[in-house]
Amino acid sequence: KNEVEQSPQNLTAQEGEFITINCSYSVGISALHWLQQHPGGGIVSLFMLSSGKKKHGRLIATINIQEKHSSLHITASHPRDSAVYICAGRYSTGNQFYFGTGTSLTVIP
Amino acid sequence: DAGVIQSPRHEVTEMGQEVTLRCKPISGHNSLFWYRQTMMRGLELLIYFNNNVPIDDSGMPEDRFSAKMPNASFSTLKIQPSEPRDSAVYFCASSLETITEAFFGQGTRLTVV
Repeated sequence: KNEVEQSPQNLTAQEGEFITINCSYSVGISALHWLQQHPGGGIVSLFMLSSGKKKHGRLIATINIQEKHSSLHITASHPRDSAVYICAGRYSTGNQFYFGTGTSLTVIP
Repeated sequence: DAGVIQSPRHEVTEMGQEVTLRCKPISGHNSLFWYRQTMMRGLELLIYFNNNVPIDDSGMPEDRFSAKMPNASFSTLKIQPSEPRDSAVYFCASSLETITEAFFGQGTRLTVV
């Protein structure tokens, strides 16, 4: 069983659309890390959250602890948002991350 | 801060050769992680260190892989002997224990022919 599961695997959107990427995780994971991997391969940390909601520009991340679910939203999507978005869960008892398989997002002009 | 620095960025080597990947974490961070990314398996944790001590190496594929962290500012991942199935992008990341976010290096793309 995967500790972290993401959906959808692939997503294509028109520029300007509101986008949601979902992440479900196992019992015991206490923090969720959202990452963005650019087409060139570099990985950028977007958010780390263990409760509530965080916002940075057009990106919003939410987490529902009871449902063990997190979402990453992109408002007014733009072609430069095209990337792979990865969620990673971290257990409270350890220091390592368990990664989802990623969501490949393509935003078409 | 320059962020996590990995070297080399690209490595092409012949099967059977020894390969050493290097990582300099962000100054002040006391946790360091080595990951491998392939198309088939995505991102996988290989090993992580806390205060220079290996904590969990259960992700290391086999004895051909070894990692060291001789001090707080340097770590190596060694593959000896290398095999074509080791071809992947290897990422190093560091974090400050009390702040759980991890910062990634640019990765080393390893090709074993």
